[in-house]
Amino acid sequence: DQQVKQNSPSLSVQEGRISILNCDYTNSMFDYFLWYKKYPAEGPTFLISISSIKDKNEDGRFTVFLNKSAKHLSLHIVPSQPGDSAVYFCAGLTGANSKLTFGKGITLSVRP
Amino acid sequence: EAGVTQFPSHSVIEKGQTVTLRCDPISGHDNLYWYRRVMGKEIKFLLHFVKESKQDESGMPNNRFLAERTGGTYSTLKVQPAELEDSGVYFCASSQGHIVSYEQYFGPGTRLTVT
Repeated sequence: DQQVKQNSPSLSVQEGRISILNCDYTNSMFDYFLWYKKYPAEGPTFLISISSIKDKNEDGRFTVFLNKSAKHLSLHIVPSQPGDSAVYFCAGLTGANSKLTFGKGITLSVRP
Repeated sequence: EAGVTQFPSHSVIEKGQTVTLRCDPISGHDNLYWYRRVMGKEIKFLLHFVKESKQDESGMPNNRFLAERTGGTYSTLKVQPAELEDSGVYFCASSQGHIVSYEQYFGPGTRLTVT
């Protein structure tokens, strides 16, 4: 049972344009949602998070939107840069424990 | 400040052999986690230590996996005997505090290949 789903395995965008990465979840008990970024041969790096009681969180070029009724969240990167090319993981976390439940990841390629 | 380190970076062993992975968390981090990513799939939680105590080991696949964190510092994850399906990348992560902390810092991972 996959609780966090990233249905698009890859996304390619032009430098300077917006990247929109989508994520769906089934577990209503998640209290936080997080996005991690991963480069090859490195571990995931925390990027941005959002509490389940919020609908938007912004940090520089990165904004995460949460639609609880649809159990959907998205990460917007504006403007996209070639250095943003990486695998992006969406994850959920409950207040009862600290374990992250990840999706399969989306490979983002930003073309110069 | 040094990040989370893992050793070895890559291990190739034969089915039936034993392998021990090591993780050194960020100094002062009480929480230590092990995760695994099998090729093409999601990163899956294995277990969580708070200091030297196992807080949650619900993700451990079976009793061939043994994790320890003696003294509440570094941790080891032993696989004995290894099977083909154990191949994957094993990540360690750490975080501060005694309450739920979502900002977990990951190490680079150990790529385990069982042939």
